[in-house]
Amino acid sequence: TQLLEQSPQFLSIQEGENLTVYCNSSSVFSSLQWYRQEPGEGPVLLVTVVTGGEVKKLKRLTFQFGDARKDSSLHITAAQTGDTGLYLCAGVGVKGGSEKLVFGKGTKLTVNP
Amino acid sequence: AAGVIQSPRHLIKEKRETATLKCYPIPRHDTVYWYQQGPGQDPQFLISFYEKMQSDKGSIPDRFSAQQFSDYHSELNMSSLELGDSALYFCASSGGAYNEQFFGPGTRLTVL
Repeated sequence: TQLLEQSPQFLSIQEGENLTVYCNSSSVFSSLQWYRQEPGEGPVLLVTVVTGGEVKKLKRLTFQFGDARKDSSLHITAAQTGDTGLYLCAGVGVKGGSEKLVFGKGTKLTVNP
Repeated sequence: AAGVIQSPRHLIKEKRETATLKCYPIPRHDTVYWYQQGPGQDPQFLISFYEKMQSDKGSIPDRFSAQQFSDYHSELNMSSLELGDSALYFCASSGGAYNEQFFGPGTRLTVL
């Protein structure tokens, strides 16, 4: 069974601070996706990383896929109150195709004004 | 851009009743996934369909069944509902090379 360990589980910071969320596994994934979820709503896809060592930037968010495709990180620069939410990483197994997503437990981020 | 549509958005049922949740995927997406998310938990995979055939099965109870129709919409049928079935149920669809899954807004099921 593929598992994704996501840390930290909770994070409370002040506006303007930087933060990093980690997603680790002993398994290799063909791709890894990061989602953001608001309470009572569906997860919204932020980014997909596919290639080992890949770095993608989305405004103040930087996503990195580990060289071995077993881990990923999300770094937010100068956090804003609007970044508050639940961040989920999810991996697709190496077989690819129509594979279910394996989710991490999520990081609940609170950015205080 | 069109997104995944789920109906109903909210559903209240009594124990032992049945419920049917519907999902309309993004146009031209051929794969549909169903997930269950309890309070404070991550989404748990239930079942998926690719081109109208079941492609994978997760922790879906025997009381639940699902299918994908010729127009690619999917329905999750839940029978003999239990209190523990109260949760958010999400449908996601994909159709790209990297299995990017796009989620619907969810159906909040409350079993009383």
